[in-house]
Amino acid sequence: DAGVTQSPTHLIKTRGQQVTLRCSPKSGHDTVSWYQQALGQGPQFIFQYYEEEERQRGNFPDRFSGHQFPNYSSELNVNALLLGDSALYLCASSLWSYEQYFGPGTRLTVT
Amino acid sequence: DAKTTQPNSMESNEEEPVHLPCNHSTISGTDYIHWYRQLPSQGPEYVIHGLTSNVNNRMASLAIAEDRKSSTLILHRATLRDAAVYYCILSLLRGTSGTYKYIFGTGTRLKVLA
Repeated sequence: DAGVTQSPTHLIKTRGQQVTLRCSPKSGHDTVSWYQQALGQGPQFIFQYYEEEERQRGNFPDRFSGHQFPNYSSELNVNALLLGDSALYLCASSLWSYEQYFGPGTRLTVT
Repeated sequence: DAKTTQPNSMESNEEEPVHLPCNHSTISGTDYIHWYRQLPSQGPEYVIHGLTSNVNNRMASLAIAEDRKSSTLILHRATLRDAAVYYCILSLLRGTSGTYKYIFGTGTRLKVLA
């Protein structure tokens, strides 16, 4: 049984560009959450998707948006990239339980 | 949102018990307490969670204070593979859909000495 998978593993973008990160949840899971983890910090909650809708959102600007597809996979989009957006982006999935399974993350570097 | 406070780092000798403390004085009645750990270059890994009562599983034990304002993760016999950053997390249940979010602190970096 595959766990949570994320793509790409690493990504380098330039300031002002847009990026899309992808996440496939663990088999049977229907809820996907996204987190941003800056170097040396704990993960920060961005938003959560369930039934293809954004259900909760953390303190992130509208430049951060997402989508959930009927197969429960999800995308995180970031527009107008800033240097400060450089971080590890983590996806976590769950099934109506409090145990979230995290993927390995996508390392985004903005230059 | 309720926050957690943990020591930045701790050290333990191999095969000895480790007690990792966490303060969450502003926790509300519906907030669960979770512990995750993160090894280098990996995503966080679930360790244990609880609401009010102490909990045990194959990885660890979770001791929750009676007033729920603090908790302690107990690793009974630390091994070198337990060296990681340990996060104490509150999951905040909100909304009619039953969705929730995790609030991470900065975590405790555990060093295990051989």
